[in-house]
Amino acid sequence: DGGITQSPKYLFRKEGQNVTLSCEQNLNHDAMYWYRQDPGQGLRLIYYSQIVNDFQKGDIAEGYSVSREKKESFPLTVTSAQKNPTAFYLCASSIEIRQGTHNEQFFGPGTRLTVL
Amino acid sequence: LAKTTQPISMDSYEGQEVNITCSHNNIATNDYITWYQQFPSQGPRFIIQGYKTKVTNEVASLFIPADRKSSTLSLPRVSLSDTAVYYCLVGDSGYSTLTFGKGTMLLVSP
Repeated sequence: DGGITQSPKYLFRKEGQNVTLSCEQNLNHDAMYWYRQDPGQGLRLIYYSQIVNDFQKGDIAEGYSVSREKKESFPLTVTSAQKNPTAFYLCASSIEIRQGTHNEQFFGPGTRLTVL
Repeated sequence: LAKTTQPISMDSYEGQEVNITCSHNNIATNDYITWYQQFPSQGPRFIIQGYKTKVTNEVASLFIPADRKSSTLSLPRVSLSDTAVYYCLVGDSGYSTLTFGKGTMLLVSP
């Protein structure tokens, strides 16, 4: 089955520790995204990547880092610099990012991170 | 950025038609209108997209008036499983123009 996976579903970490969230897709999509969602809120864009070895900051990139070494993978690291990391993290992918149309974003199941 | 305004919540009953309206007064010429659905603790799912007039698929219809300053997502004969948050997004494929606001929480009751 083609799709996008995130692991783990639930993650607990102590304050001050870095943590990496996994995101893998086998849809052959060029573009990948990371969003954060807080209770009762919409999604906020953290980082996005249009192509391998390239990524751009979104609206709330501070305290986060990403890499895009492979087309299929776009891991997100939540660093100790992120002041309020407890949230629901969603990864998505789309065929491409191109002006003039909106390409459907396919979302993973999400990772719920709790920092104790 | 084209800002969108949607009702925070709506209530309906099974079998009814539900219409959710989104206002986007400063929509740009190249902007598309896209709707997503999100169930609790899941990622959003694409429902429908349109540029003008009417678009229909197996799940919903999207009505866009000539001035494109608003749009209406129509869900025919809703069921309990349609209880979810619905997001209206306006923009083109440039990620930076896509903002998931708080959406509309639709509650369908028996």
